[in-house]
Amino acid sequence: DAGVIQSPRHEVTEMGQEVTLRCKPISGHNSLFWYRQTMMRGLELLIYFNNNVPIDDSGMPEDRFSAKMPNASFSTLKIQPSEPRDSAVYFCASRRSRASGQDEQYFGPGTRLTVT
Amino acid sequence: AQKITQTQPGMFVQEKEAVTLDCTYDTSDPSYGLFWYKQPSSGEMIFLIYQGSYDQQNATEGRYSLNFQKARKSANLVISASQLGDSAMYFCAMRISNQAGTALIFGKGTTLSVSS
Repeated sequence: DAGVIQSPRHEVTEMGQEVTLRCKPISGHNSLFWYRQTMMRGLELLIYFNNNVPIDDSGMPEDRFSAKMPNASFSTLKIQPSEPRDSAVYFCASRRSRASGQDEQYFGPGTRLTVT
Repeated sequence: AQKITQTQPGMFVQEKEAVTLDCTYDTSDPSYGLFWYKQPSSGEMIFLIYQGSYDQQNATEGRYSLNFQKARKSANLVISASQLGDSAMYFCAMRISNQAGTALIFGKGTTLSVSS
């Protein structure tokens, strides 16, 4: 299994530009999560999807952030317009729910975003 | 409120020694799950071990074991026979449930440094 795939791995952009982060979850996983990691705030859940449907987006910081999951194998996180405070590592994770409850999430390698 | 607390910002241990990383949690849900993840300097998040709230026995995975004390609401990670490759940040996480669904909340992490 290829694991969770994220692209790009690194992104440097100027303030005001649109940024799109991409994620391909593990095949067969029915939940997908977007996290942001910074030194100051640690790991924060931004949004997650079950069966391609957004379930909880209360972690999305502002209207500048949006996420979509058009199908079971692809999701995007978009920031428009980007600001320097958006600089962080963005992780995508996927999960397959199990009756046993051991539904660990598998993380992608992350996208390191720098907004100048 | 649901919360995960890791009080040790950094831990130091000699190779081949055992080390315990602390984690306490707070939840009013009778059913929950606890997870530990490892984040090496390369940045990826690696799932280590899971403990369900109804599990009678402490979880073990190779050199990792989880010291689950339900009454004290603690879920400490024990790493036996530390290796240099164990040097990393370790995160404790709890599966939370709300009307929307289930997700993970993470502690701030503990940095483990293993020396020879």
